[in-house]
Amino acid sequence: QKEVEQDPGPLSVPEGAIVSLNCTYSNSAFQYFMWYRQYSRKGPELLMYTYSSGNKEDGRFTAQVDKSSKYISLFIRDSQPSDSATYLCAMSDPSGGYNKLIFGAGTRLAVHP
Amino acid sequence: DTEVTQTPKHLVMGMTNKKSLKCEQHMGHRAMYWYKQKAKKPPELMFVYSYEKLSINESVPSRFSPECPNSSLLNLHLHALQPEDSALYLCASSQRTGNNSPLHFGNGTRLTVT
Repeated sequence: QKEVEQDPGPLSVPEGAIVSLNCTYSNSAFQYFMWYRQYSRKGPELLMYTYSSGNKEDGRFTAQVDKSSKYISLFIRDSQPSDSATYLCAMSDPSGGYNKLIFGAGTRLAVHP
Repeated sequence: DTEVTQTPKHLVMGMTNKKSLKCEQHMGHRAMYWYKQKAKKPPELMFVYSYEKLSINESVPSRFSPECPNSSLLNLHLHALQPEDSALYLCASSQRTGNNSPLHFGNGTRLTVT
């Protein structure tokens, strides 16, 4: 079993839809949770960074963490074609003594006009 | 545009060539990283530098040789690569190596080994 599970998609939605992207994890030691957006032929761009359980909102994006269920989500409201990208969840594992990130496989999202 | 700059954007090299990838950041970050990313896969960690010293080598073959000349620069020297080394090479930085310091990535160098 992988430490982080993420549905690779692809996920195709119409413009304006609410998108829900999810990751589950097995290691309760994971402390920090991130969402990265990666456009084709570009590097990952940090979208959201959270620590505690609960919601964090930034514009059209909301990150949700449920540590008791080992589940994190990213919601995108009023999705736009420019949101079409691969979304990677990532979690920091403190066991290595450095900033070790464990990535999900990435979900490819396509928002069509 | 990202605050981590990588050059070149594209590189094609033969298996006998020697080349270098360069990375620069001016955010005052003291931790820098090299990642390798194959198509449709997440990034894989190669090296971690903390305060200009190599702190983590994830069992990377010696044909990849990292160097950190100062706190803003990170190089990856390449020699005698194999075609399977073709990938997107990503540089990243963070304020420090503690796990409460998120990584910021550059746009990568797309390497093709022929």
